[in-house]
Amino acid sequence: EVQLVESGGVVVQPGGSLRLSCAASGFIFDDYTMHWVRQVPGKGLEWVSLISWDGDSTYYADSVKGRFTISRDNNKSSLYLQMNSLRPEDTAFYYCAKDIRDSGWYAGFDSWGQGTLVTVSS
Amino acid sequence: QSALTQPASVSGSPGQSITISCTGTSSDVGGYNFVSWYQQHPGKAPKLMIYDVTKRPSGVSNRFSGSKSGNTASLTISGLQAEDEADYYCSSYTSTSTPRVFGGGTKLTVL
Repeated sequence: EVQLVESGGVVVQPGGSLRLSCAASGFIFDDYTMHWVRQVPGKGLEWVSLISWDGDSTYYADSVKGRFTISRDNNKSSLYLQMNSLRPEDTAFYYCAKDIRDSGWYAGFDSWGQGTLVTVSS
Repeated sequence: QSALTQPASVSGSPGQSITISCTGTSSDVGGYNFVSWYQQHPGKAPKLMIYDVTKRPSGVSNRFSGSKSGNTASLTISGLQAEDEADYYCSSYTSTSTPRVFGGGTKLTVL
């Protein structure tokens, strides 16, 4: 059974930094592209970032480009999101999600974690 | 503003069928067969219901089906049940610099 467990969500001040982690199990982690998706409480889903199976390809939403960095450690089956220069509008639940296929990043997300809440507030 | 357009809400009675639309452009929905649909109950993580426009993952009821015409994809739920009441989101691959986009979500109410 695929399991994705996010951690690291806390309350942080505007301008601060935070690193989210996602521990994966139940599948061959280094075969799959992984994603971060966020959701402001009570609002819709927003795709944030993806990283290819080997870490060579990364993409970001315009809203986080230049501030967030996605990375992965295939030896630890873990996904990360380094969040810098945080803004109040970054307040959201952050989900890690596994891509559907073991090639590319075209198809979508077939497994999701339970989410971790990041609150940016003074 | 979301990249894909969905109706904010739809409703139906038990046993009826409903359809949720998801409108994009030729750079996303219309250009690729990579539309997926997600169901989200309150306080829960999203769940994949449809991928590649029409495919159902193992374990998803065959009451859920997907289709596409031009730049608009659709999710149809037949034989509505109370447990279908949830938020539904479409998503598509896009050829822009941000390769995945979501719709704004549709709240389904089972009357």
